[in-house]
Amino acid sequence: QSVLTQPPSASGTPGQRVTISCSGSSSNIGSSTVHWYQQLPGTTPKLLLSRDNQRPSGVPDRFSGSRSGSSASLAISGLQSEDEADYYCAAWDDSRNALVFGGGTKLTVL
Amino acid sequence: QVQLVQSGTEVKEPGASVKVSCKASGYTFTSFGISWVRQAPGQGLEWMGWINIYNGNTQYEQKLQGRVTMTKDTSTNTAYMELRSLTSDDTGVYYCARPIVTRGFYFDYWGQGTLVTVSS
Repeated sequence: QSVLTQPPSASGTPGQRVTISCSGSSSNIGSSTVHWYQQLPGTTPKLLLSRDNQRPSGVPDRFSGSRSGSSASLAISGLQSEDEADYYCAAWDDSRNALVFGGGTKLTVL
Repeated sequence: QVQLVQSGTEVKEPGASVKVSCKASGYTFTSFGISWVRQAPGQGLEWMGWINIYNGNTQYEQKLQGRVTMTKDTSTNTAYMELRSLTSDDTGVYYCARPIVTRGFYFDYWGQGTLVTVSS
């Protein structure tokens, strides 16, 4: 099982706002920034958000992130069909001295 | 532009070893590390460890300790990941990625992935 917990699936209709949660503990999300990756079907993961809410160049501002306590969330507003992908959260874990990932959330655009 | 280009598909028998390469270009190789992440078929991402290219220091995920070795060749801007005593559980796509290690640990660039199949 993954150290960080994400819902296995999420869905929404075009234009809708969806959120994906990522739950951890004091040794990871509670003490380190969270990063999000998007993996489109059959492709390499891509950095979506770094350090909780920083968008790399080229990532639309429809994507936003937040972190509070030992949990984090990714929000996607104005959902588009091209957002259909797997989304992963990640954070450094001080007790494991390792990077840990969430199990991934498959987002379906209905 | 930053590029990480990995070696090609590998098919190995159980008990064998595999060595995957990752050739970097478009940036100063010694200014960043290289990390390795793998993904079993239909599964999520799993961090394997990383190597500091500047000083060669390595850090491995505990469950892989003793089976994995990460090395680098600064003359060719190439990083390597060797995994030994392969089992079917090691089947998957192996990615190299460039880590940013300040205020967190995340990957801004990824290689294209190398499929490793372990089968008799």
